[in-house]
Amino acid sequence: GQQLNQSPQSMFIQEGEDVSMNCTSSSIFNTWLWYKQDPGEGPVLLIALYKAGELTSNGRLTAQFGITRKDSFLNISASIPSDVGIYFCAGTSYGKLTFGQGTILTVHP
Amino acid sequence: GAVVSQHPSWVICKSGTSVKIECRSLDFQATTMFWYRQFPKQSLMLMATSNEGSKATYEQGVEKDKFLINHASLTLSTLTVTSAHPEDSSFYICSARRTGLNYGYTFGSGTRLTVV
Repeated sequence: GQQLNQSPQSMFIQEGEDVSMNCTSSSIFNTWLWYKQDPGEGPVLLIALYKAGELTSNGRLTAQFGITRKDSFLNISASIPSDVGIYFCAGTSYGKLTFGQGTILTVHP
Repeated sequence: GAVVSQHPSWVICKSGTSVKIECRSLDFQATTMFWYRQFPKQSLMLMATSNEGSKATYEQGVEKDKFLINHASLTLSTLTVTSAHPEDSSFYICSARRTGLNYGYTFGSGTRLTVV
């Protein structure tokens, strides 16, 4: 089946630092989505990308849909402690969501 | 808008018993819902796609007789774990897709199942 390769697996950063994570795939996806999951909760949508090359921001978050439709990145600027959690990329194809492996983000005050 | 309610949030059951998990879209109609399973520190793995009024479509390797899915209305899908075993212990999450919108995948808050 389709797979998304997400990196890095984990990040330990200081408050105020910028963060970057990305996803790649051998398959083309129609849309790319970025989610954040807190412990014991379901994923919450952060940013949705619909067009190849699209660059979208949501507050301190910026994400881009790769021109080949096979990759995407998420940047978080000026991290704060509440950014802690697991970030997942996800791609849609034929109506289904496929998730990346997740990036565990730890922010030290 | 686009709220999905999942119940219960956690459940403990004995081996051999069955457990039903409900997923409701509260403010929109969802012709399609999805059920995921997530083990600790792992990603969400799609188990099945639930279509209103028809049989669910299961992913490869998922036992349809063990994980019974019913999507009887446009706002409710249920997952029943039958004859539960300790290896079924996991975090189960549902998702509902809003009709006509690409990004309309809203997730429930998950159900922590522990089989003892």
